[in-house]
Amino acid sequence: AQSVTQLDSQVPVFEEAPVELRCNYSSSVSVYLFWYVQYPNQGLQLLLKYLSGSTLVKGINGFEAEFNKSQTSFHLRKPSVHISDTAEYFCAVVSNSGYALNFGKGTSLLVTP
Amino acid sequence: NAGVTQTPKFQVLKTGQSMTLQCAQDMNHEYMSWYRQDPGMGLRLIHYSVGAGITDQGEVPNGYNVSRSTTEDFPLRLLSAAPSQTSVYFCASNRLAGTDTQYFGPGTRLTVL
Repeated sequence: AQSVTQLDSQVPVFEEAPVELRCNYSSSVSVYLFWYVQYPNQGLQLLLKYLSGSTLVKGINGFEAEFNKSQTSFHLRKPSVHISDTAEYFCAVVSNSGYALNFGKGTSLLVTP
Repeated sequence: NAGVTQTPKFQVLKTGQSMTLQCAQDMNHEYMSWYRQDPGMGLRLIHYSVGAGITDQGEVPNGYNVSRSTTEDFPLRLLSAAPSQTSVYFCASNRLAGTDTQYFGPGTRLTVL
C-alpha cells in the first residue's frame, strides 16, 4: 500500500515570497506522484505529476516539484506567490498498477499582502 | 466536453433517509472513483470502478453502494444516511490506471441531520 504525509497543515506566506509545501510518501513499489490544487468551493485540478525521467517537474501557474527517491519526498515550490494562489494543496500517490489515488490530508496555503 | 458532472450540488437529509448522488463523465474514461472530503482528513476513497460492470471498495466503503451499468455513469447510493456521512463528495474519472490525470467533478455537499 502507498501513503502520503503532508507535513504542514497550514502555510501562511506574504505575497511575492517563495513557498515550499512538503510531501513525503511511503511505498514498497514504484509509484507515481501528483499535486492537485483546490480553490475555495471548487473541485480539484492537477498542478503537476511525476511519472518518470527528470526529477524536476514543472506544472501550471509557475509551480514546480522535485522528486527525491532517497528521501521519499515530492515537495512543491513556487519562487513568488500571488494572492490568487491561496488554496488547498493535495499531494497524492498511486502505484503503477493502482486505480485510484491515495491523498495526503492537504496543506492550506494562505497568501496575504 | 462537460467533463465530470455531479448532481445535486447541495443536499440535506435526515438520519435514515436514502439517496443517490449522480456522477457522469463524457470523456469515455474507463476508471471512475468516489471520494469524500472531510476537514483535516484530505480525500478518502469510497468506491471505484475500472469499467462498466466492475466495481471495488476503497478505504471507507461502509454505508455506500455503487454500480456501473454504463461507461458514462457512476452513481453513489447512501442506503441509510447517518450524521457521520456529512461531507463533501467528489467523483473523478481517468482514462488509464496509474499515470493518468484524474478529472474531478465540482462536488456535492451533503448534510445529514
